[in-house]
Amino acid sequence: EPEVTQTPSHQVTQMGQEVILRCVPISNHLYFYWYRQILGQKVEFLVSFYNNEISEKSEIFDDQFSVERPDGSNFTLKIRSTKLEDSAMYFCASNPSYSNQPQHFGDGTRLSIL
Amino acid sequence: RKEVEQDPGPFNVPEGATVAFNCTYSNSASQSFFWYRQDCRKEPKLLMSVYSSGNEDGRFTAQLNRASQYISLLIRDSKLSDSATYLCVVLDSGGGADGLTFGKGTHLIIQP
Repeated sequence: EPEVTQTPSHQVTQMGQEVILRCVPISNHLYFYWYRQILGQKVEFLVSFYNNEISEKSEIFDDQFSVERPDGSNFTLKIRSTKLEDSAMYFCASNPSYSNQPQHFGDGTRLSIL
Repeated sequence: RKEVEQDPGPFNVPEGATVAFNCTYSNSASQSFFWYRQDCRKEPKLLMSVYSSGNEDGRFTAQLNRASQYISLLIRDSKLSDSATYLCVVLDSGGGADGLTFGKGTHLIIQP
């Protein structure tokens, strides 16, 4: 069964540094998403991406964050000037089409800001 | 503000028992509903979609009550492997752009 893959599985970064999280969505999927889950909290939507542009974003997704699909397969989340409170699991997800089908999640990147 | 509320548990249930979870959602215009399960420090995995008429997948039965904005999940003949956190998830629009709104989850522990 096709999977969403994410790298790295764990990223440790000094506060103030930039970090890039990578995802390879399922190949025939058209919508891509980033979510985060702070330890002990619920999963929270960050951003959706379609046709090489942001479709929707939450209030969490401020100017510190950006997304990109640089090469037609990877989908990246960049976090600039990281803060301690950015420590969380970050999940990428994809969806096959413009519909209410369920989203398929990657196994996440654990981001630890020191 | 869109909210999905769940009893966090934990529910401690003996193996073989039947257990039911509920959740409520705040947006009456919500279009699609799902149950995901999440194992400790893992990604959410789709358990089942929830349809208006109710639906069943093996030991799992999901119900939706749009009038009460209430979703339920019933697990019959529970197995040790059912131990996980069950996430009630709502999608507000019929399109693909919207993100999912998650509940905080209900923690289930199946005891031998």
